[in-house]
Amino acid sequence: EVQLVESGGGLVQPGRSLRLSCLTSGFTFADNSLSWVRQAPGKGLEWVGLIRSNIYGEAPKYAASVKGRFTISRDDSKSIAYLQMNSLKTEDTAVYFCAKPSYDYLTGYFHDYWGQGVLVTVSS
Amino acid sequence: DIQMTQSPSSLSASVGDRVTIICRASQNINNYLNWYQQKPGKAPKLLIYGTSNLQSGVPSRFRGSGSGTDFTLTISGLQPEDFATYFCQKSYSFPLTFGGGTKVEIK
Repeated sequence: EVQLVESGGGLVQPGRSLRLSCLTSGFTFADNSLSWVRQAPGKGLEWVGLIRSNIYGEAPKYAASVKGRFTISRDDSKSIAYLQMNSLKTEDTAVYFCAKPSYDYLTGYFHDYWGQGVLVTVSS
Repeated sequence: DIQMTQSPSSLSASVGDRVTIICRASQNINNYLNWYQQKPGKAPKLLIYGTSNLQSGVPSRFRGSGSGTDFTLTISGLQPEDFATYFCQKSYSFPLTFGGGTKVEIK
């Protein structure tokens, strides 16, 4: 059974940093991509970024709103993905989901498994 | 970047109704379009990928169609468990932008 479990959320002051973790199981993590998606309170979904398998040797992709402040990384030995969030702003307050995307050249990326989400609150 | 616009932002419907939700892309995205359902306090659930492919386990009353810039999610015979918020997402070429969402409420 595929499972994704986020952790590391909490209350943080503006300008500070926080690192989220996404512990995965039930699939070969090293062969797969991993996305982060967030949802501000009462708002819609916002794609944050995606990291592909190290097989491809590519840098992660990011939304413009977080590029240069957020970094996605992975530890294949532990089947964990990370979201390092620096220079946090109040508008980064959201529930952060990690999601496992599948990919097909005909259909693109589709997120068929999701974690339960973790709340990050940026406030002084 | 390509923008994704959903309409309406909310709608009221009754059990048994046929519901149509529209998603428009600001540029041609071929058939690279997914649909998700989200209930309050829960993670999104994949319904349809690649415009019209039904995810395993999703009831056949959900149907996706479209191509290019205009896409539709149709729910035929709305069930009580279908009252939720629905999001489209472009699935190729970063960023993988979501639409703003359509909340389906009980009339």
